[in-house]
Amino acid sequence: DTEVTQTPKHLVMGMTNKKSLKCEQHMGHRAMYWYKQKAKKPPELMFVYSYEKLSINESVPSRFSPECPNSSLLNLHLHALQPEDSALYLCASSQDRQGASGYTFGSGTRLTVV
Amino acid sequence: AQKITQTQPGMFVQEKEAVTLDCTYDTSDPSYGLFWYKQPSSGEMIFLIYQGSYDQQNATEGRYSLNFQKARKSANLVISASQLGDSAMYFCAMREDRNYQLIWGAGTKLIIKP
Repeated sequence: DTEVTQTPKHLVMGMTNKKSLKCEQHMGHRAMYWYKQKAKKPPELMFVYSYEKLSINESVPSRFSPECPNSSLLNLHLHALQPEDSALYLCASSQDRQGASGYTFGSGTRLTVV
Repeated sequence: AQKITQTQPGMFVQEKEAVTLDCTYDTSDPSYGLFWYKQPSSGEMIFLIYQGSYDQQNATEGRYSLNFQKARKSANLVISASQLGDSAMYFCAMREDRNYQLIWGAGTKLIIKP
């Protein structure tokens, strides 16, 4: 298995809703990442987990809450989002935080906040 | 300061022609890695090719090759014999080994004309 699987592919949520994005990999990678990408822009790093521990939080608002229940799974819990949070959310993984063997990305979740 | 520069916001190329996408980078770290990713409109970030700073030879992967000119801090992607399916956004990215984070260029939108 050489994939990163993200669900759902599309999500529409209201500003008072609570939802979660899910990311799964079975490559034995020990580093996992959440990125936010606005249209026609490069991805922006949000969070990095290394060996299931949060190692980087790029000053992301608390309405985004990451969770890494085990080495294969990464969640992003969403609550009280704003319309400007609408974006493509990409999950990625690498063998370790050094990323020397490259990064594998999922196909993303397109989030629309209404 | 911009660490990764992609000077071509958009390019139109005739099918079957070769394409060169430009990327220049700036780092004082002697150890770093350079990546090219392809992102179709579907959103998935697809890894194309990798070049390490100490690699003596230019990286090649099928129709993709990386023209690495270390002294000029240039890492251009060459796509030989372009195909309609090559139409996508292309991102150049750098990983500095002192902090292991990916730094992204602004991207080049490539459109292949039949």
